[in-house]
Amino acid sequence: EAQVTQNPRYLITVTGKKLTVTCSQNMNHEYMSWYRQDPGLGLRQIYYSMNVEVTDKGDVPEGYKVSRKEKRNFPLILESPSPNQTSLYFCASSRLTDTQYFGPGTRLTVL
Amino acid sequence: AQKITQTQPGMFVQEKEAVTLDCTYDTSDPSYGLFWYKQPSSGEMIFLIYQGSYDQQNATEGRYSLNFQKARKSANLVISASQLGDSAMYFCAMREGVNGANSKLTFGKGITLSVRP
Repeated sequence: EAQVTQNPRYLITVTGKKLTVTCSQNMNHEYMSWYRQDPGLGLRQIYYSMNVEVTDKGDVPEGYKVSRKEKRNFPLILESPSPNQTSLYFCASSRLTDTQYFGPGTRLTVL
Repeated sequence: AQKITQTQPGMFVQEKEAVTLDCTYDTSDPSYGLFWYKQPSSGEMIFLIYQGSYDQQNATEGRYSLNFQKARKSANLVISASQLGDSAMYFCAMREGVNGANSKLTFGKGITLSVRP
C-alpha cells in the first residue's frame, strides 16, 4: 500500500530534550516536506527536500533541522524543543509537481 | 497579502444537500495548481481534488467538484449529496510554478463543515 508514515504519532516531551520525528514514504517520490499546523494558521512549511541530499528552508524553519540521506526518509529534528513548537506536524511527499500525500500527523507537546 | 483566503465561518449543511466551500487565491504566476484537502477529527489530511491553472474544464472527483473561476481567482469546492462523514475541516491550497524550485503548498486557514442529519 502506497503511504507516508510518521513516528511517533504522539509525543510529550520537555523543553530542551532533543527529539526526532521520522517520516518515510514507499512511493519513490522525489519531493518531501514538513509542515506544522496551528489553530487559525492552517499549515505552514518548515523544510522541504527536492531529492536526496537536497534540502532547503520553508516558511518557518527556526528551531528545526532535517536530513535526506535516503530517498524514502526525511526525519525532522528538534535539537532543543521549546513550548512554541507544540503543534501538529505533517510530513508529505510527491513527485516534483504532483499532488502531495500526507502522513497521519505527529502531535507534539513540549512542556 | 494572503495567498489563499478562506473566510467562511463554520458551515452547516443538511444531509443529502449540496454545499459550496469558498476559496480565493492570489498569485502572479501563470502556472499554478489548486488543491482541496479534508481533515476529519482524526487529524489526517486527505487529498480530495486538484485543478491546474491551464485546465479547460472544472475538476470533478465523485461527489466533489471544483468551481474554478480563473478571472475571479476563485476555486470553490462543491460537495454534492452531503453525508455525515463529510463533517470535517476543509483546506484549500495552492502550488505555484510548473517546475518550481519548491513544490510548497500554501494553505488557507480552513473551513469547518458540519453535516446535520
